[in-house]
Parts: sequence; structure tokens; C-alpha cells
Amino acid sequence: SAVISQKPSRDICQRGTSLTIQCQVDSQVTMMFWYRQQPGQSLTLIATANQGSEATYESGFVIDKFPISRPNLTFSTLTVSNMSPEDSSIYLCSVDGGQGSTDTQYFGPGTRLTVL
Amino acid sequence: EDQVTQSPEALRLQEGESSSLNCSYTVSGLRGLFWYRQDPGKGPEFLFTLYSAGEEKEKERLKATLTKKESFLHITAPKPEDSATYLCAVPTDSWGKLQFGAGTQVVVTP
Repeated sequence: SAVISQKPSRDICQRGTSLTIQCQVDSQVTMMFWYRQQPGQSLTLIATANQGSEATYESGFVIDKFPISRPNLTFSTLTVSNMSPEDSSIYLCSVDGGQGSTDTQYFGPGTRLTVL
Repeated sequence: EDQVTQSPEALRLQEGESSSLNCSYTVSGLRGLFWYRQDPGKGPEFLFTLYSAGEEKEKERLKATLTKKESFLHITAPKPEDSATYLCAVPTDSWGKLQFGAGTQVVVTP
């Protein structure tokens, strides 16, 4: 399975600021995704990070608030913009299993964000 | 609308006391069903993918089964290290878009 790292692992930010989260995979993957896990809740898909094109956002999530980049097949970033306390969550990236295993999905360790 | 419901919300077991978790789903054209384990402060750890009714998969003390409307995760003779939240998820309109259940928090006491 792919080894996924995220930076930072946690951060405490002030209201109104932005934070960029990085996701790095140790092998090329077709699909990369970003999820949010609010305190005590399950995971909700934010968007699919498409390599070389704009991300595809789920209902309730917009590009101005959560801009995403994916410059290559092993790296993606998620920015949480103009943060408010309601953005305090764990943000997780996930990837498919790589060539021949697109029906499996692996998750990174997550970034725990606290907004004051 | 696609829905994934897990029960119970929480389960407290004595070490060695076997039990089952339930994941029921309503989704058109089921492609498969995923089970994950999540420890506090960590990302979900992949356990199984089930593709069709009647399929079973095992890993150590865990066994997952799938019917046309639900999946069960059986924990046989659990140990304290099996304590975690167990999540199930189904792909919605593509393999990548997973809809998760709320999870079952399992605590196994010695």
C-alpha cells in the first residue's frame, strides 16, 4: 500500500488566516482526495484533486474556501482560507491503491487544525 | 439519497467476548463496501473491500461479510488492542467518492 505523509500534523491558527496542508505519496497514484473530519464526526469528502486541472468539489464546499492544487501524481495541497472556529477539524488526504488498484483507498495520518 | 448507517454507536467488550458490528446501506448500484479502523488522532487504516453479496474476508480476529443490504464486521475473541473506531464506507457515483458511516467505537477491556 502507498505511504502517505501530511504536513503539518497539527496547527493552531487565528481566525481570518489561511493554512496550506501538504500531502505527499511515495508512489504515483491516479486519484487523490481530501476529506474533513469534524470533532466527533465521521469523514466527509471535500473534493477530488485532479492532476493538471481544477479540483472537483462536493456539495457544500467551494474553491474560494478550499483551493486545491495537484501539480503531479504524488503531491497535493489543500488550503483552508479565511478560517473560522468552525473550520477546526482533522483534514485527511487519501489516495487510490495505484495502478491496478483504483478500487482501494488509503488515508494519510491527517492534519489536526484548531482555529481560535 | 445514498445512506450508510452503522450500529451500535459504541460497544464495550470484555477481552475474549466476540461480537458483531453492523453497516447497512442504501445505494444504487453497489460497487463495493470498505471497512476501516481508526485509532484516536490517526487516519483510517484500510481493512477490507467487499464487492458482492456472499463475499467474506478475514484478517486476524476480524471477519467481514456482505449481503445485499448490509455488512457485518465480526470480532472474534477480541483483545484490548482491537479497541478503535470501525468505519464502513461505500463508493457513491465513482470508486473514489466514499460515503462513510458514523462509525462504531469499540472498547475492549482486559
